[in-house]
Amino acid sequence: EIVMTQSPGPLSVSPGERATLSCRASQSVSTNLAWYQQKPGQAPRLLIYGASTRATGIPARFSGSGSGTEFTLTISSLQSEDFAVYYCQQYNNWPPLTFGQGTKVEIK
Amino acid sequence: EVQLVESGGGLVQPGGSLRLSCAASGLTFSHYWMSWVRQAPGKGLEWVANIKQDGSEKYYVDSVRGRFTISRDNAKNSLYLQLNSLRAEDTAVYYCAKVLGYCTGSSCLFDYWGQGTLVTVSS
Repeated sequence: EIVMTQSPGPLSVSPGERATLSCRASQSVSTNLAWYQQKPGQAPRLLIYGASTRATGIPARFSGSGSGTEFTLTISSLQSEDFAVYYCQQYNNWPPLTFGQGTKVEIK
Repeated sequence: EVQLVESGGGLVQPGGSLRLSCAASGLTFSHYWMSWVRQAPGKGLEWVANIKQDGSEKYYVDSVRGRFTISRDNAKNSLYLQLNSLRAEDTAVYYCAKVLGYCTGSSCLFDYWGQGTLVTVSS
């Protein structure tokens, strides 16, 4: 099973600032990695797949990078609606499909 | 617009059973792999099971294999999860999720999610 580890936890950021979230895989997942956003009481929403491809309707301030075992989600200028929990998920080697434990982005 | 609506959750005693349903609309349901993902209270996401378009392939996380069964009825645009021998650690919100593209050896991610249904296992 591939273990996904996210950091930091949590992340305090002021509106308008940049947020950088990290996700590490216990073995290479190539670029078969997705990022999801989840707000309280809501279902997750797909942000990024293929490590760097934005999903339909996702604003350009969200970007993903990385390959192998190290990945980054960057939010270039945090908006109020971006404060949420973010999860990475690998789909390179399954079952099982595995998620990171999540990083909460909170208002500083 | 794709909509996934789960139902069937509730309070059940340890060892009990429950059947979850997911009604899909706004898509050609029979064209897509579908999944169940769960989230324990205050915890992260955990993939539970996948099913191929025609139901010929099913995959489970180890912790539920032999106790849970995923199924679908394409004529009714519905996905199901039968939960048997329930344990306290199965307490979670269960989400129905549509797979983006296909589930292959190196592709299986989720582009649409329902709002979830809460299963509570307690005496």
